[in-house]
Amino acid sequence: GENVEQHPSTLSVQEGDSAVIKCTYSDSASNYFPWYKQELGKGPQLIIDIRSNVGEKKDQRIAVTLNKTAKHFSLHITETQPEDSAVYFCAATLGNQFYFGTGTSLTVIP
Amino acid sequence: KAGVTQTPRYLIKTRGQQVTLSCSPISGHRSVSWYQQTPGQGLQFLFEYFSETQRNKGNFPGRFSGRQFSNSRSEMNVSTLELGDSALYLCASSPPGVRNEKLFFGSGTQLSVL
Repeated sequence: GENVEQHPSTLSVQEGDSAVIKCTYSDSASNYFPWYKQELGKGPQLIIDIRSNVGEKKDQRIAVTLNKTAKHFSLHITETQPEDSAVYFCAATLGNQFYFGTGTSLTVIP
Repeated sequence: KAGVTQTPRYLIKTRGQQVTLSCSPISGHRSVSWYQQTPGQGLQFLFEYFSETQRNKGNFPGRFSGRQFSNSRSEMNVSTLELGDSALYLCASSPPGVRNEKLFFGSGTQLSVL
């Protein structure tokens, strides 16, 4: 199966700064890479995704980059706000199955 | 449109008991997946159901089982509970389509085994 590693496990940034979360995957056949945000007491919610035929995708303050050769992808959040504080999960899909990273707890300090 | 609904929200059981968790997907979604979430382990895939058939299964012991009904509602059952089964159990549904990509999660059932 697939193995997804995610770093860092915790991240604290000042409000207005940028945050970057990185993930690597092991199986080059994985072709879809979503990112989920989980707020306290809630289930994960899809915030952005990228397919293997695209190198970068942006949606307002969040962006995802994918390097297929190195098998890694990253989430970038610019101009962070306190409401960005949450746990973020990356995932890779192989066939119909999702493989999740272990999560990054992001704290944005006002 | 109502989201994915999981019941109950919290459960406390003792070792050796069994438990049944329920999931109602978003209307029109036919695929339902179950995940176990524990601190430090992330989300571990349990199984996926589509049109009442188990389509994929993760690496969990046979004590974990599930089923899906004709209205797409799903249940998962854990028998002979162990302390290590304490976790947040998440259900996710996916809209119909060629690729099963969009997962919509419920808020989960927090299971504590004492």
